[in-house]
Amino acid sequence: ETVMTQTPLSSPVTLGQAASISCRSSQSLVHSDGNTYLSWLQQRPGQPPRLLIYKISNRFSGVPDRFSGSGAGTDFTLKISRVEAEDVGVYYCMQTTQFPYTFGQGTKLEIK
Amino acid sequence: QVQLVQSGSELKKPGASVKVSCKASGYTFTSHAMNWVRQAPGQGLEWMGWIDTNTGNPRYTRGFTGRFVFSLDTSVSTTYLQISSLRAEDTAVYYCVRLVGAPQSFDYWGQGTLVTVSS
Repeated sequence: ETVMTQTPLSSPVTLGQAASISCRSSQSLVHSDGNTYLSWLQQRPGQPPRLLIYKISNRFSGVPDRFSGSGAGTDFTLKISRVEAEDVGVYYCMQTTQFPYTFGQGTKLEIK
Repeated sequence: QVQLVQSGSELKKPGASVKVSCKASGYTFTSHAMNWVRQAPGQGLEWMGWIDTNTGNPRYTRGFTGRFVFSLDTSVSTTYLQISSLRAEDTAVYYCVRLVGAPQSFDYWGQGTLVTVSS
């Protein structure tokens, strides 16, 4: 099983400042088809998760461009360029390259 | 627009069974696999497995075999999760999630169904 490890687990951020979350996988997420199936999800309080980023760096429909993803192989990063109040919640990385699909443990983003 | 609408919250006693439904709309139901994800209270996300909406073949991950059954009714574009012999540790929110094949991501989520197991 591919273990996904996120850091930090909690991130207090000032409104308007940038935030960054790291995700490391226990093995390469490069699929045999050449793609890397690493996604980022956002879960606001009381809401279901929502897809933000897929295949490392592609924003899903309707996701603001202040969200960006980067990385390769086993190391990935989600960046929020200017945090807004609506960004509060828990962020998860997940991989769908290998079975079983696995999630990171989540990073709680909160406002200072 | 794509929507996944799940059935309402359930309160069950230990040993009972529960069946959660997930009705899809806004796309061709048989074009995408449906996954199930569990979230225990205050905890993270756990992939339970999926069901191929074309063939009806399910795939369960470790820890979700035996008591957990995925099924579907294509005539009403609905997927089901049945859990038998419920235990207190099954208390969680269960989400159905569409997997879009390319780019192989969980793009649409149901609103979640809270299943509470308590005597």
